[in-house]
Amino acid sequence: GAVVSQHPSRVICKSGTSVKIECRSLDFQATTMFWYRQFPKQSLMLMATSNEGSKATYEQGVEKDKFLINHASLTLSTLTVTSAHPEDSSFYICSARDLVAGGFTDTQYFGPGTRLTVL
Amino acid sequence: AQKVTQAQTEISVVEKEDVTLDCVYETRDTTYYLFWYKQPPSGELVFLIRRNSFDEQNEISGRYSWNFQKSTSSFNFTITASQVVDSAVYFCALIPDTGFQKLVFGTGTRLLVSP
Repeated sequence: GAVVSQHPSRVICKSGTSVKIECRSLDFQATTMFWYRQFPKQSLMLMATSNEGSKATYEQGVEKDKFLINHASLTLSTLTVTSAHPEDSSFYICSARDLVAGGFTDTQYFGPGTRLTVL
Repeated sequence: AQKVTQAQTEISVVEKEDVTLDCVYETRDTTYYLFWYKQPPSGELVFLIRRNSFDEQNEISGRYSWNFQKSTSSFNFTITASQVVDSAVYFCALIPDTGFQKLVFGTGTRLLVSP
């Protein structure tokens, strides 16, 4: 159980184009999903918190107009990198929060990540 | 302030050796949750364990064991009889009660197990 998928796993695009990344919780409902960015040999940097049915909450320094997040259902969140540039090249990972009913004891399960390369 | 420190950047061992990955955390919250994740070369983060602040019992799962000590704010992870497949980056992380469910990650420890 607690499987999270991400699509696509790799994408190469030209500078100026937009790229959409999907994050799905396959066997549980996730009211909250998170988007992270990871540079080579570094830790994960939280970009935003995505709540189903409401606007995403972005971390300081993350451009909300550049990284559009939509959490349209309890199993799907999307991240769109608009007008991508080479500096946006990175490894993007999503996680979905699996909340145990009646408690705070939740765990975030991570997708396999999407490697974005902007030429 | 919420912080997780993994002082060991990289560890190299030979197969079958035991290895301990250190994790020290900081939080003012009395309720919090600690996690370990494994990130193999493929990139996906694999959940290993969650521990809440009220449960100081050590845990063992196969070759993996965890030592949680509130007195030293540490949550160390030991792999017994390491195997090549254990080669990965391991992240320790914290969710404080007042942290809006956000994981605070350490910088990770890269473990290389050679045959």
